[in-house]
Amino acid sequence: EVHLVESGGGLVKPGGSLRLSCTASGFTFSSYSMNWVRRAPGKGLEWVSSISSSGAYVYYADSLKGRFTISRDDAKNSLYLQMDSLRADDTAVYYCARYSSSSLVFEYWGQGTLVTVSS
Amino acid sequence: QLVLTQSPSASASLGASVKLTCTLSSGHSNYAIAWHQQQPERGPRYLMKLNSDGRQSKGDGIPDRFSGSSSGAERYLTISSLQSEDEADYYCQTWGTDIQVFGGGTKLTVL
Repeated sequence: EVHLVESGGGLVKPGGSLRLSCTASGFTFSSYSMNWVRRAPGKGLEWVSSISSSGAYVYYADSLKGRFTISRDDAKNSLYLQMDSLRADDTAVYYCARYSSSSLVFEYWGQGTLVTVSS
Repeated sequence: QLVLTQSPSASASLGASVKLTCTLSSGHSNYAIAWHQQQPERGPRYLMKLNSDGRQSKGDGIPDRFSGSSSGAERYLTISSLQSEDEADYYCQTWGTDIQVFGGGTKLTVL
């Protein structure tokens, strides 16, 4: 059974940094592209970033403007999101999601980790 | 620009059926989409992938009460025999070159 467990969320001041982690199990992690998606309070789902199975290709939502960095460690079955220069509007629950093997559908999701940016 | 449009809310009675709509932007009517469900205080759950020709492939354990259909730029999710646990937010999702797009979501209330 596929499991994705996010961690690393918390309260951070504006301008601060935070690193989120997602630990995967139940599948061959190195074979799948992975993603981060967020949901701000009162808003809908928003795609944040994707990384290819090899790690060679990374993609970001335009709205992030270079403040976030996605990475992976296949030896640890882990996905990461380094978030810098955090702003109040980055406050959200952040979800880890795995693509399907055959299309760019988010087939499996984690339960999320809450990031609150506030002074 | 690739955009998905959903009605903000829908409601239907327990045991009834409801049809949710997701509309693809102009020039993108042949795109496949996916439907996801998010119950309160839970992570999203993948329901199905839906092609422009109506072919669908469901996620693990998704009951037959959930079905999809397509017409032009419209993609539909029909939920039959509504249950209380179907009260949730429903999102459509599609993808382009180096980008993922979500619709704004439809909040379904089961009366």
